[in-house]
Amino acid sequence: QKEVEQDPGPLSVPEGAIVSLNCTYSNSAFQYFMWYRQYSRKGPELLMYTYSSGNKEDGRFTAQVDKSSKYISLFIRDSQPSDSATYLCAMSVRYSSASKIIFGSGTRLSIRP
Amino acid sequence: NAGVTQTPKFQVLKTGQSMTLQCAQDMNHNSMYWYRQDPGMGLRLIYYSASEGTTDKGEVPNGYNVSRLNKREFSLRLESAAPSQTSVYFCASNLGGGANEQFFGPGTRLTVL
Repeated sequence: QKEVEQDPGPLSVPEGAIVSLNCTYSNSAFQYFMWYRQYSRKGPELLMYTYSSGNKEDGRFTAQVDKSSKYISLFIRDSQPSDSATYLCAMSVRYSSASKIIFGSGTRLSIRP
Repeated sequence: NAGVTQTPKFQVLKTGQSMTLQCAQDMNHNSMYWYRQDPGMGLRLIYYSASEGTTDKGEVPNGYNVSRLNKREFSLRLESAAPSQTSVYFCASNLGGGANEQFFGPGTRLTVL
């Protein structure tokens, strides 16, 4: 069983829709939870980051963490064609002096104009 | 600032050939990482360097070697390339010491025939 499970999609929604992306994990030692966005043929970039259960908002994006269920979500409101990308969830536990991040396999999202 | 740069952008090798992927960062980061990204597998850590002068194995180190040349540069070497090493390779860096955001380069697309 993978430590982090993510539905690969693809997910296609019309412009303006609310998008929900999800990941589950098995390692209860994970402390930090992140969402990265990766445009085609580019490197991933950090979108949101949280270390506690609950919700965190940043503009049209909301990250939600439920540690009791080992489940995290990313919601995108008023989705735009520019949101079309692959979204990777990521989690980390601190090891010695470097943090190693475990990534989900990514969900490919397409927003139809 | 250029951020994280990688060379080359594309490479085609024959089985058994060797090559070195180069990575440099200009953000004065302490830690650097090499990942490979394959369809359905997400990003998998090959090697990392917590600080200048140290390197450690990640999840999938077999067939690779690394050198942390100085604080700025971290190279990945394939001594005898195999078709299973066909992938997109990303270099990343961060402050280290528990910092979780990693900054990624644009990637190198490697095909081994």
